[in-house]
Amino acid sequence: DAGVIQSPRHEVTEMGQEVTLRCKPISGHNSLFWYRQTMMRGLELLIYFNNNVPIDDSGMPEDRFSAKMPNASFSTLKIQPSEPRDSAVYFCASTDIGREAFFGQGTRLTVV
Amino acid sequence: SQQGEEDPQALSIQEGENATMNCSYKTSINNLQWYRQNSGRGLVHLILIRSNEREKHSGRLRVTLDTSKKSSSLLITASRAADTASYFCLLGGSNYKLTFGKGTLLTVNP
Repeated sequence: DAGVIQSPRHEVTEMGQEVTLRCKPISGHNSLFWYRQTMMRGLELLIYFNNNVPIDDSGMPEDRFSAKMPNASFSTLKIQPSEPRDSAVYFCASTDIGREAFFGQGTRLTVV
Repeated sequence: SQQGEEDPQALSIQEGENATMNCSYKTSINNLQWYRQNSGRGLVHLILIRSNEREKHSGRLRVTLDTSKKSSSLLITASRAADTASYFCLLGGSNYKLTFGKGTLLTVNP
């Protein structure tokens, strides 16, 4: 397996634009997590899914953020409209419940 | 909400010395994982310890878990300059929620 795959690796966008981050989890894993990393706030859990169902989205900062998992092999995190304070590295992780969590390489988002 | 508190926030040692990092938490967990992150890079899994385990080893790494004190420690023995990185604990809580600690920045000086 190629591991957790995130795209794009880097995204630069203008304030107000819609941004979509993508994640392909490891095949067979039943949980998927989205995190945001900044210097100020560290690694924050935004939302996670079990068996494609959102379980806890209490970490999603605002209504501008939304996440979907239409099937077991794909998830998106969307920011609309984007703001400069959304600039961060966004990580996706997948796991078989109770086992090691595998992380993607992250998407570095810059909103100018 | 559950979040690990790691100490120290930063640790600077000489090559060959041992490094110990701690992670404390507030509510019960199912497991705890440790990760390493080199500057600007991805998260590398080091070790997973379950709530019914007290100690695990992997190479130069030793992890302990004390559920009565709600704390875990990561020991790196005979450190090398290549161990310079940030180290994070990842708490496996109820409903299989995974939350990170704040991390320890380890610098190993050659």
